[in-house]
Amino acid sequence: SQELEQSPQSLIVQEGKNLTINCTSSKTLYGLYWYKQKYGEGLIFLMMLQKGGEEKSHEKITAKLDEKKQQSSLHITASQPSHAGIYLCGAGGYNQGGKLIFGQGTELSVKP
Amino acid sequence: DAMVIQNPRYQVTQFGKPVTLSCSQTLNHNVMYWYQQKSSQAPKLLFHYYDKDFNNEADTPDNFQSRRPNTSFCFLDIRSPGLGDAAMYLCATSRDRGFSPQHFGDGTRLSIL
Repeated sequence: SQELEQSPQSLIVQEGKNLTINCTSSKTLYGLYWYKQKYGEGLIFLMMLQKGGEEKSHEKITAKLDEKKQQSSLHITASQPSHAGIYLCGAGGYNQGGKLIFGQGTELSVKP
Repeated sequence: DAMVIQNPRYQVTQFGKPVTLSCSQTLNHNVMYWYQQKSSQAPKLLFHYYDKDFNNEADTPDNFQSRRPNTSFCFLDIRSPGLGDAAMYLCATSRDRGFSPQHFGDGTRLSIL
């Protein structure tokens, strides 16, 4: 079965600093999803990547999928306290029958 | 705004007393999912409906059941909750089962006394 490993598990950064979260898959990724979760709440969809080498950006967050489609990164530029939360990567696609398999999450804290 | 709404946000029940959690959606999506998320863990899929077609995960306990009476609503029934069932339950929807993002509700936090 497919497994996703995220690194780091937790991250504390000073406001204004850049940061990167990585997600590595044990198998080829056919669809990679990034979500953000605030404590005690649901998941907010950030971005979806499908093609090797694909890169998407929304506001100050950029997600990339490597050419081999086994690793993805999420980069936040000039972090703000509003970026704090748990970031989860999820693998899915037709071969998963709709099922999303998640990494264990990266907890981000941003110090003002 | 189109949304996924879960009720209640917090549910307390007694050990062994049946409980039902509800989810509704205004997105008109074909697929509805139920995930269980325990503290500091990733969400784990329990089952999903593709339209009226129910799909159970192999390791979902028989204690967990689901109903989808129409496109908009889906229910999670826990027949005899045990202490180990205390968790956040998340409902999600997607347009289809392929490359379609899942949209989540805010979850129901279930406590067992």
